[in-house]
Amino acid sequence: RKEVEQDPGPFNVPEGATVAFNCTYSNSASQSFFWYRQDCRKEPKLLMSVYSSGNEDGRFTAQLNRASQYISLLIRDSKLSDSATYLCVVNIRGGADGLTFGKGTHLIIQP
Amino acid sequence: GAVVSQHPSRVICKSGTSVKIECRSLDFQATTMFWYRQFPKKSLMLMATSNEGSKATYEQGVEKDKFLINHASLTLSTLTVTSAHPEDSSFYICSAREGASVDEQYFGPGTRLTVT
Repeated sequence: RKEVEQDPGPFNVPEGATVAFNCTYSNSASQSFFWYRQDCRKEPKLLMSVYSSGNEDGRFTAQLNRASQYISLLIRDSKLSDSATYLCVVNIRGGADGLTFGKGTHLIIQP
Repeated sequence: GAVVSQHPSRVICKSGTSVKIECRSLDFQATTMFWYRQFPKKSLMLMATSNEGSKATYEQGVEKDKFLINHASLTLSTLTVTSAHPEDSSFYICSAREGASVDEQYFGPGTRLTVT
């Protein structure tokens, strides 16, 4: 079983719609959780960290469910510029450790 | 946010040669840097953790003699792909941590390596 699993998509969504992605992780001892955004042939950029209490940043809302070991990302009022690959990222071992990336979910916002 | 640079951004080399990739933190000191590799349509895979002044820690399956890592200063880590082969062609990305918070991990723009 992969450590971090995501639906690769693509998700084709009309502009203005709401879209949600889920991600599951296998290691229950995982410490920290993030959503990154990666544009084609570019480096990943941190979108937001994910906390147990849930957190919101503008049109983006992230949730963590430790009991079920999944993380979600909700994008409201989607924009054309939201088209990208969204990477679910987990710090499994905690501390000063590298990150474990999911394969990413490809989102295409259509005008 | 903090800035991390990589050089070169793109390199094409012949099979059997060695290629050095530099990762620099431009406006902060990074005691820890990470090297990742991403094959087309695949996720980023952590290759190794580079610690300033000590040996790098390699992930399982990554050959330390093939991927030489040196972290000589708090702002520079280098990855050398030795005796490159076509299967080493990939997108290599470094990241650096600023401070103790895992949230503060910034990625370089990546180096696209093509081995012919």
